[in-house]
Amino acid sequence: DVKVTQSSRYLVKRTGEKVFLECVQDMDHENMFWYRQDPGLGLRLIYFSYDVKMKEKGDIPEGYSVSREKKERFSLILESASTNQTSMYLCASSFGGRSYNEQFFGPGTRLTVL
Amino acid sequence: KNQVEQSPQSLIILEGKNCTLQCNYTVSPFSNLRWYKQDTGRGPVSLTIMTFSENTKSNGRYTATLDADTKQSSLHITASQLSDSASYICVVCCANTGTASKLTFGTGTRLQVTL
Repeated sequence: DVKVTQSSRYLVKRTGEKVFLECVQDMDHENMFWYRQDPGLGLRLIYFSYDVKMKEKGDIPEGYSVSREKKERFSLILESASTNQTSMYLCASSFGGRSYNEQFFGPGTRLTVL
Repeated sequence: KNQVEQSPQSLIILEGKNCTLQCNYTVSPFSNLRWYKQDTGRGPVSLTIMTFSENTKSNGRYTATLDADTKQSSLHITASQLSDSASYICVVCCANTGTASKLTFGTGTRLQVTL
């Protein structure tokens, strides 16, 4: 069975803290994605990675960085958390290559920055 | 600008009734359209995926239609159940740019099924 896991379901951090969100997939997918989901805005792409150590900016990369040292793991880093980064963060993965490969999502991490 | 608009924003129906959710898009070039179901506090789960040449696709009580000429899709839910209560998100994909395809997401329709 397809599985994408995220390190935390809920996280509370203080302004200025460095925050790590971890995502692991067990499907040997080439592509991995980080989104944030806010009410009324839908999912917005932060960063994605199409291979180990490769990354590309999405639509809203400001204030975030990513790391992909192993194929199965993709980390999202908030260097200095701010209150406007309070959101639901969703990780997804898919096979590479053809355009209509389905993205499989993790359960999400609800991050609150105080 | 690539956009996906869904209607209605929210919907309440009685258990056992049918309903139809709408999706209009302006994404170009078009490759495929997907409907996802997202339970509260969970990640989205795919219901159907349709490419340009497909007009309709079913997954149990869920039937999606696609009119690529008018750039409209609908998701019809038959004989609704309480477990259908969720957000339904329409997602449109453009052609592969060489790396990973970027998706355009609608804001979703929040469906509540009541007794």
